[in-house]
Amino acid sequence: EDKVVQSPLSLVVHEGDTVTLNCSYEVTNFRSLLWYKQEKKAPTFLFMLTSSGIEKKSGRLSSILDKKELFSILNITATQTGDSAIYLCAVEAISNFGNEKLTFGTGTRLTIIP
Amino acid sequence: GAVVSQHPSWVICKSGTSVKIECRSLDFQATTMFWYRQFPKQSLMLMATSNEGSKATYEQGVEKDKFLINHASLTLSTLTVTSAHPEDSSFYICSARDLFRTGVAYEQYFGPGTRLTVT
Repeated sequence: EDKVVQSPLSLVVHEGDTVTLNCSYEVTNFRSLLWYKQEKKAPTFLFMLTSSGIEKKSGRLSSILDKKELFSILNITATQTGDSAIYLCAVEAISNFGNEKLTFGTGTRLTIIP
Repeated sequence: GAVVSQHPSWVICKSGTSVKIECRSLDFQATTMFWYRQFPKQSLMLMATSNEGSKATYEQGVEKDKFLINHASLTLSTLTVTSAHPEDSSFYICSARDLFRTGVAYEQYFGPGTRLTVT
C-alpha cells in the first residue's frame, strides 16, 4: 500500500522565521510528488516535482525532491501570517488499475504568530 | 486558469436520506474526475476515480453501492451518498484532470468541497 508521511504534524513559529516541512514516501510506480496548501477549503497547488535534486522556487517557497532517499522538503522563508495553513504532500503513482492516483500525507499544520 | 465548482457547498440531511453532490469543470474538459473525503484533522483520502462514459473505479474499503458516482459528460461528475448515516459526515472534495495536459506534467484542479452533515 502506498504511504506518504509528513513531519512535523504541527509547527508554530514567529513571523519572519524560516520553516522546513518534510515529506517521505513509499510508493510503487512513482510518477511525481506534489505540494499543496490548504486553508479553509480545497487544496491549492504549489509545486510538482519529478526529478531529483532540481529545486523548484516560487517567491519565498521552494521545494526539492530526493528520489533515492524517497523524500521531499518544502521551505518557506521570511514567513508571514498568510502562510498559516495546512501543507499537504501528495505522491502520484500508477495504481493497480493502471490509472494515476494521488496519495496524500496527513499534512503539516503551520501557524505563524505575528 | 482551470476552475472546478461543487454544489452544494454545505448540506445537512437526516439519516437514511440520499444526497447528491455535483462537481463541474467550468472552463476545461475533464476526462477524469476524482472524489476525495476528508475527515476533521485528517488528510484527503481518495474514494474513487471517475472516467467519462465508464464506470468509476473505487478504492479499497469504499462501498460502490453506497457512494454512487456518475460521470456523464466531460464537465460533470456526481457523487450520491445513499442512505446516509452520521458516520458519512465529512468534507467531500472533487478534482478534475485537464484533458489537454499531456506527458508527465500532471495536475489536478480541486473543487471547493462540500461539507456533509448527517443528523
